[in-house]
Amino acid sequence: QLVLTQSPSASASLGASVKLTCTLSSGHNNYAIAWHQQQPEKGPRYLMQVNSDGSHNKGDGIPDRFSGSSSGAERYLTISSLQSEDEADYYCQTWVTGVRVFGGGTKLTVL
Amino acid sequence: EVQLVESGGGLVQPGGSLRLSCAASGFTFSSYEMNWVRQAPGKGLEWISYFTSGGSIYYADSVKGRFTISRDNPKNSLYLQMNSLRAEDTGVYYCAGGGGYGAFDIWGQGTMVTVSS
Repeated sequence: QLVLTQSPSASASLGASVKLTCTLSSGHNNYAIAWHQQQPEKGPRYLMQVNSDGSHNKGDGIPDRFSGSSSGAERYLTISSLQSEDEADYYCQTWVTGVRVFGGGTKLTVL
Repeated sequence: EVQLVESGGGLVQPGGSLRLSCAASGFTFSSYEMNWVRQAPGKGLEWISYFTSGGSIYYADSVKGRFTISRDNPKNSLYLQMNSLRAEDTGVYYCAGGGGYGAFDIWGQGTMVTVSS
């Protein structure tokens, strides 16, 4: 079964960097995922797709501070030079024919 | 400007029906896979249905048999007919599109559905 696992929460200081992790279930190491940001009281926004080889392609207007990478079953979202507006929920998402799957989301707090 | 705008949400009694609409603009709607995603109050995102550009349709088990997705390409519109609504269907419903395969790269702002007596 295709499942994505995320830590419920993360925190980092203003101006620092943070790396969020999304883990694919066993047997799905080669799947791509997408990262989405949801700021408080807003709809989600597409950030980027991260492929199994670590390559990523960002959505329009996504700052260079956001980057993606990959290792085995893990897919990462790194945010550098954290700003207050980066405080949000971050969801990973993947897909297979017939199903679209979301991780449980990580709530990022900027201290 | 690339945009998805949902409408049709509201308050409905358990067992009732509601039809959501999603109006697309700024991109080639007919070539996109289109999805409905919902979010219960205080919870995460839940995919519920998608309609491919080639005409295939899929549903999550939680809504299969009760919800029907449809699209009208000439009108650049996506729809969700929701029947036999339950309290657990309460939440914000988002329309989302994918230009490639699988990733949702366009999102709407959502429409609230409340199922309550």
